[in-house]
Amino acid sequence: QLQLQESGPGLVKPSETLSLTCTVSGGSISSSSYYWGWIRQPPGKGLEWIGSIYYSGSTYYNPSLKSRVTISVDTSKNQFSLKLSSVTAADTAVYYCARGGGIGQWSPMDVWGQGTTVTVSS
Amino acid sequence: QSVLTQPPSVSGAPGQRVTISCTGSSSNIGAGYDVHWYQQLPGTAPKLLIYGNSNRPSGVPDRFSGSKSGTSASLAITGLQAEDEADYYCQSYDSSLSVLVVFGGGTKLTVL
Repeated sequence: QLQLQESGPGLVKPSETLSLTCTVSGGSISSSSYYWGWIRQPPGKGLEWIGSIYYSGSTYYNPSLKSRVTISVDTSKNQFSLKLSSVTAADTAVYYCARGGGIGQWSPMDVWGQGTTVTVSS
Repeated sequence: QSVLTQPPSVSGAPGQRVTISCTGSSSNIGAGYDVHWYQQLPGTAPKLLIYGNSNRPSGVPDRFSGSKSGTSASLAITGLQAEDEADYYCQSYDSSLSVLVVFGGGTKLTVL
């Protein structure tokens, strides 16, 4: 069955760039018309959508983060990635990758990674 | 401040029925966009519970049901069980913000 796994540094310094990768196993990231999304959850708070990428490479970002976010896909590695620049303590959160977060029938996020904790601190 | 408004908490005794509301506006739920619901057990990733307003993914018990009317949606849980204690989130699309994914603020369900 499809599985997603986030990976990346657990500690990032303020003003630096947070980089995470989501590896997809049990299926091809480009085999169907799926979207792939990033979502985060600050400690003790709710879910915040960061952005999504279509399997073809089209990207959609949360306007509140758009100036700092880049999401890309590497079909050869069956991975998609998140870069968030100029991080501050407010970016400390559990970061999840998920299948979905797109348009219409591709909107619900039906498969999630386990999440990875990223702390922004010097 | 979330675009979709949920009550911070609800509670119920085992066996009872509880509902969780998700109130939006004419630019999201009221515009006809689908609502999805997620269950997040403590320390785990969210799990899709209801999609397309009222559809259950395979494996989700029929104790969970979803509905939508006007600018609001609801998640109903019948025959409440201790393992239902979790946070619940609604999700939709908002046309005015051009945001593909908007979440409600989440509702903590406590089983008494």
